[in-house]
Amino acid sequence: NAGVTQTPKFQVLKTGQSMTLQCAQDMNHEYMSWYRQDPGMGLRLIHYSVGAGITDQGEVPNGYNVSRSTTEDFPLRLLSAAPSQTSVYFCASTPSIGTDTQYFGPGTRLTVL
Amino acid sequence: AQKVTQAQTEISVVEKEDVTLDCVYETRDTTYYLFWYKQPPSGELVFLIRRNSFDEQNEISGRYSWNFQKSTSSFNFTITASQVVDSAVYFCALRDSNYQLIWGAGTKLIIKP
Repeated sequence: NAGVTQTPKFQVLKTGQSMTLQCAQDMNHEYMSWYRQDPGMGLRLIHYSVGAGITDQGEVPNGYNVSRSTTEDFPLRLLSAAPSQTSVYFCASTPSIGTDTQYFGPGTRLTVL
Repeated sequence: AQKVTQAQTEISVVEKEDVTLDCVYETRDTTYYLFWYKQPPSGELVFLIRRNSFDEQNEISGRYSWNFQKSTSSFNFTITASQVVDSAVYFCALRDSNYQLIWGAGTKLIIKP
């Protein structure tokens, strides 16, 4: 099992550019989520999905889109990058919404200039 | 409102000292889960422990121990005989009734040799 993988590890964008952060898991987990981590703060939930075809907004969804066409993949799209989106992004998965322990990917460090 | 407070932004101790990291939470739910995660300098998030609201027994795992007190809404984490490898940022988190994780801001622990 590769667990939860994220690509890229690092990315630099210019303001206004769009890009997709990839997240995949090979554990057949139903529940996946995206967080951002900013200095001096805990993780904040961006979007989550309870299964293929189902997504919902978290605490800070503005400026981001997600889709869940398969159980394995949960990409996060930045529509028009802004400097405020400079952050470390973590993808996580858990076997089901009622299961407690989340497995985290290694993170993507994004800088928007 | 659901909230997790880690009042200690940074703690610095000398190796072999014991250290306690504080976590205070707020929730309206009667059933909830509390977590501790470790984030070493490499950046990944490492799950340490999960505790549900019905289990107030303290837990010990090697040099790590956790003290859960519902009466004071606290879930404190103690490292006994600290080691340099314990240096990391430690996060406390609360799972709410919507299955979302609410994170504290983290405590940076520095263990000096």
